[in-house]
Amino acid sequence: EIVLTQSPGTLSLSPGERATLSCRASQSVSSSYLAWYQQKPGQAPRLLIYGASSRATGIPDRFSGSGSGTDFTLTISRLEPEDFAVYYCQQYGSSPTFGQGTKVEIK
Amino acid sequence: QVQLQESGPGLVKPSQTLSLTCTVSGGSISSGGYYWSWIRQHPGKGLEWIGYIYYSGSTYYNPSLKSRVTISVDTSKNQFSLKLSSVTAADTAVYYCARGYGSSWEYYFDYWGQGTLVTVSS
Repeated sequence: EIVLTQSPGTLSLSPGERATLSCRASQSVSSSYLAWYQQKPGQAPRLLIYGASSRATGIPDRFSGSGSGTDFTLTISRLEPEDFAVYYCQQYGSSPTFGQGTKVEIK
Repeated sequence: QVQLQESGPGLVKPSQTLSLTCTVSGGSISSGGYYWSWIRQHPGKGLEWIGYIYYSGSTYYNPSLKSRVTISVDTSKNQFSLKLSSVTAADTAVYYCARGYGSSWEYYFDYWGQGTLVTVSS
C-alpha cells in the first residue's frame, strides 16, 4: 500500500497569499496518477486536480498541481475566501489511498 | 450532471450489518467505464476507500475490510449498495458513495454523494 504524507498539517495564510501544499508518497506513483481534493466542513470532497497537474472541470486556474514520482505539490496562487478548507491528495492505485489532509486556515 | 445520493439507517447496533444504498441520477451505471465506490471518513479524520463495483458486477475491496464488505449493484434501479458486517464503534463514520473514473487499476473520484453519517451504538 502506498502511504501519502501531506505537509504541513495546517497552513495559516491571509487572503491573497500563495499556498503551497505538499504530498509525499512512500513509493513512486505510477504515471503521475495523483489527484487533489478540497473539502469544506459538512461537505463531500471536490475533485480539483487529476493526473498530478490537470484541473478538473470548473476549477479556477489559481489552482495548479505539479510533481512526479514521490513528490507532488498543490499551489493556490492567490487565496480567495472560499479556498479556506482541507485539501487531500489521493493516489490512484488499485487500492486508492488518501493523505491525511492539510488544513488551510485564515491567519 | 451526475448526482449521487446515499440512503440508509443512521444508527446501527454493534455486531449488526451496516447497509447503505447509493442512487445515481443524471447518468447510467450501465454505461460502463466507471467504478462505483464507497469511501468513508471517521469523525474529524481522513478518507478511507472501502471498495468499488463495476456495472458488470465485478468488485474490488480494500484488503483491510475485505472480510466484512459486500458491494452489489442494481442496474434496473441505477443503484449500488454497501453491506458491512459485524460492525463496531470503529465503523462510525460518514459514508460517501462516489464515481471512480479511470481503469480498474487506477482511478480517481470525480463525483461524490453528500455523505451520510452512520453511528454504531447500542
